[in-house]
Amino acid sequence: QSALTQPPSASGSPGQSVTISCTGTSSDVGGYNYVSWYQQHPGKAPKLMIYEVTKRPSGVPDRFSGSKSGNTASLTVSGLQAEDEADYYCSSLAASKIYVFGSGTKVTVL
Amino acid sequence: EVQLVESGGGLVQPGGSLRLSCAASGFTFTIYWMGWVRQAPGKGLEWVANIKQDGSDKYYVDSVAGRFTISRDNAENSLYLQLNSLRAEDTAVYYCARWSYCSTTSCAIDYWGQGTLVTVSS
Repeated sequence: QSALTQPPSASGSPGQSVTISCTGTSSDVGGYNYVSWYQQHPGKAPKLMIYEVTKRPSGVPDRFSGSKSGNTASLTVSGLQAEDEADYYCSSLAASKIYVFGSGTKVTVL
Repeated sequence: EVQLVESGGGLVQPGGSLRLSCAASGFTFTIYWMGWVRQAPGKGLEWVANIKQDGSDKYYVDSVAGRFTISRDNAENSLYLQLNSLRAEDTAVYYCARWSYCSTTSCAIDYWGQGTLVTVSS
């Protein structure tokens, strides 16, 4: 149950796009058509941004989008805004009903 | 309004025990998988355990299996995590979580509690 690999940091200027990768193996990310993404602001509980690779819960702006290819999933934030500055975590099933999170990526809005 | 309110965290010595509680409200507790996720200070998220709607199936991360026990009381709309044989590396904020948006194989956490801090230290 090793953590999925994410880049420690990513950044972009307001209005630009940033893409965060989440790399696993064929036993987790590559083995299931379900990856979720969470946003966490300092001192706060995480918030669900994307589920089932590409779907957005009600209330999440369509600036957030997800994709997956093979063992790597990605989260793209388009039209970066100051409030998007946060930590982002991916998550995948690693075995039946066993879950694993990514190592986390700190997104900075320059 | 969905609410998950954790309690029971605190300072405990290595080898000690603690019981965390999560009071759920604002939704039909009995139809959701529930679970716990933890976050060590300054570190990332780690899934800890999940429990099926009726409590019949339970799953744990390897590092806590045999030491932690997840349970639920559907009559009281409450989720629990019994932490035994605690180690320094168990120090973390423990979040209560509701799993939703389920496909045939997987789900996502759509609601989180505010977290309760467990500190294991002598």
